[in-house]
Amino acid sequence: EPEVTQTPSHQVTQMGQEVILRCVPISNHLYFYWYRQILGQKVEFLVSFYNNEISEKSEIFDDQFSVERPDGSNFTLKIRSTKLEDSAMYFCASIGGLGTDTQYFGPGTRLTVL
Amino acid sequence: AQRVTQPEKLLSVFKGAPVELKCNYSYSGSPELFWYVQYSRQRLQLLLRHISRESIKGFTADLNKGETSFHLKKPFAQEEDSAMYYCALSEETSYDKVIFGPGTSLSVIP
Repeated sequence: EPEVTQTPSHQVTQMGQEVILRCVPISNHLYFYWYRQILGQKVEFLVSFYNNEISEKSEIFDDQFSVERPDGSNFTLKIRSTKLEDSAMYFCASIGGLGTDTQYFGPGTRLTVL
Repeated sequence: AQRVTQPEKLLSVFKGAPVELKCNYSYSGSPELFWYVQYSRQRLQLLLRHISRESIKGFTADLNKGETSFHLKKPFAQEEDSAMYYCALSEETSYDKVIFGPGTSLSVIP
């Protein structure tokens, strides 16, 4: 069964550094999402992306965050200048067009900001 | 604002006992309701959704619009059911963002 993949599984960075989290959605899917889960808290929506543009974003998704689909397969989340409070598990998800109707989640990237 | 609540953070039951994981939601429209499960060290997986009315791994959930609830039930818990369970809603279509509840950690005692 096709799966959403994410790399790296764990990223450690210094405060103020830029990080890029990578996701490869399921190949025929059209809608892409990023969620995050701070340790001990619930999974929160960050952003949705369709047709090469952001379709919705949450309050969390401020100017420090950006998303991109640089080619036909990757979907990236960039945090420009990381803060301690960005430490969390980041999940990518995708959903297809006709005939598929549930979001498939990746395994997540654990981001630790020191 | 749309919201999903799960009153129990932790729930322990004995193997073979019935399980009920509670979920309530607030949303003015007609949301889609889901249960996601996350087994230890694995990704979030869809367990079931209200519109499909399926029973997956023995679990069922009935949407009660009057009580705005979507409780998850299983008549006989198994050890392999131990996991984190998230109730979630999507506003109008499956393409909308998913709003998650805080999750309930289910532990099935052998």
